[in-house]
Parts: sequence; C-alpha cells; structure tokens
Amino acid sequence: AQRVTQPEKLLSVFKGAPVELKCNYSYSGSPELFWYVQYSRQRLQLLLRHISRESIKGFTADLNKGETSFHLKKPFAQEEDSAMYYCALGVCRGANSKLTFGKGITLSVRP
Amino acid sequence: NAGVTQTPKFRVLKTGQSMTLLCAQDMNHEYMYWYRQDPGMGLRLIHYSVGEGTTAKGEVPDGYNVSRLKKQNFLLGLESAAPSQTSVYFCASSYSTDTGELFFGEGSRLTVL
Repeated sequence: AQRVTQPEKLLSVFKGAPVELKCNYSYSGSPELFWYVQYSRQRLQLLLRHISRESIKGFTADLNKGETSFHLKKPFAQEEDSAMYYCALGVCRGANSKLTFGKGITLSVRP
Repeated sequence: NAGVTQTPKFRVLKTGQSMTLLCAQDMNHEYMYWYRQDPGMGLRLIHYSVGEGTTAKGEVPDGYNVSRLKKQNFLLGLESAAPSQTSVYFCASSYSTDTGELFFGEGSRLTVL
C-alpha cells in the first residue's frame, strides 16, 4: 500500500531563513509526487509536481528514489509562505487513479 | 469560471440526522473526489469517482455514501450523522486519466452535535 509521511507538524522560521519541508513515501511502483499548499482562507492548490522540475514561488523539490523522499526547499523564506503544506503521492492510473496525502505541515514564517 | 463549488459551506447537525453535500464542477472533469480534513490527520479520501455513474471507496468510506448521476456533480451523503464526522470536507476534480492536478473546492465545515 502507498503511504506518505510528513514527520513534522510545524516548522517555524524567521524571514530570510532556509526552509526544508520533509516528505517520505512508500510505494512499490513508479511514483508521481506533488506538493500542495493551503494559504489561510484559500483553497488547497497545487504548488509543484516532480515531473515538471519547476521552481514555483522559489520552492523546489527533487525526487530521490533511493531515499524515497521528495523534500520541499526554499533558500530564503518569506512571510507570505506561511501556510499548510501537503505532500501527495499519485498512484495507479485509469480506474484506480487517486492521490494519497500526507498529514501536512504548517509553515510559519516570522518577520 | 466557477471551478469547483461546494454547498453548503457550513452546517450544524444533530447526531442521527442526515444530510447531503453537493459538489459541482464546470471544467468537464472525469474524476471527482471527496476528502475530509482533520487536525493532525491531514486529508483522507472518503470516496471517489472516475466517471459518470461510477463510484469507489477511498480510505475512510464508512458512514458515507456517494452518487455521480451527472458528470458535473458528485454528492456526498451522511445517512445518520455521528460526532466523529465533524470535519471539513473538500471536494476535488481532475481531468486527466492519470492523477494529474486536483482542483479543490473551498470546503464545507460540518459540525455534528
């Protein structure tokens, strides 16, 4: 069975500090990994996906299949990055297509 | 373009009452999902649908039923509400045949007394 582990519930940093939000997954097949973000009073939305290898709002995430990790990183945190972040694993296709989410982590960026 | 719309946004129920949450999407998406969000538990999949007329169980389906009679609508029903079903419910939809990007509604906060 697939599983997503986000080991920390809360990360609090000062503005300008580096950020790393940890995500580990368990899946025997070829994984598709995503990071979703939920800002205060806004809808949950896709931040980035591993296949696109983009940098969104200064965030990057590299899929490490050896360590089964997909950590989200940003070199210099901004106050507007404060939000709830979810790592998600996409499994199967067609009739069994769905995402499994981790428990989420709250990022708080202090001025 | 409204995207994914959930109604109602807030509801308070007494134990044993029934209710239906409606999710509507105007993006012609095949896939629709119902998740619940609880503190410390993250998002857990209740039921999902891969097309009109089809539904499947997710991670936490007990106590819920769903229907997808029309492609654009996905209904989540609680036949006999319990306090353990107090939660924020999110509907989502996606287009592609792989997992792709999910588009979420604003959420429906349900309290069962």
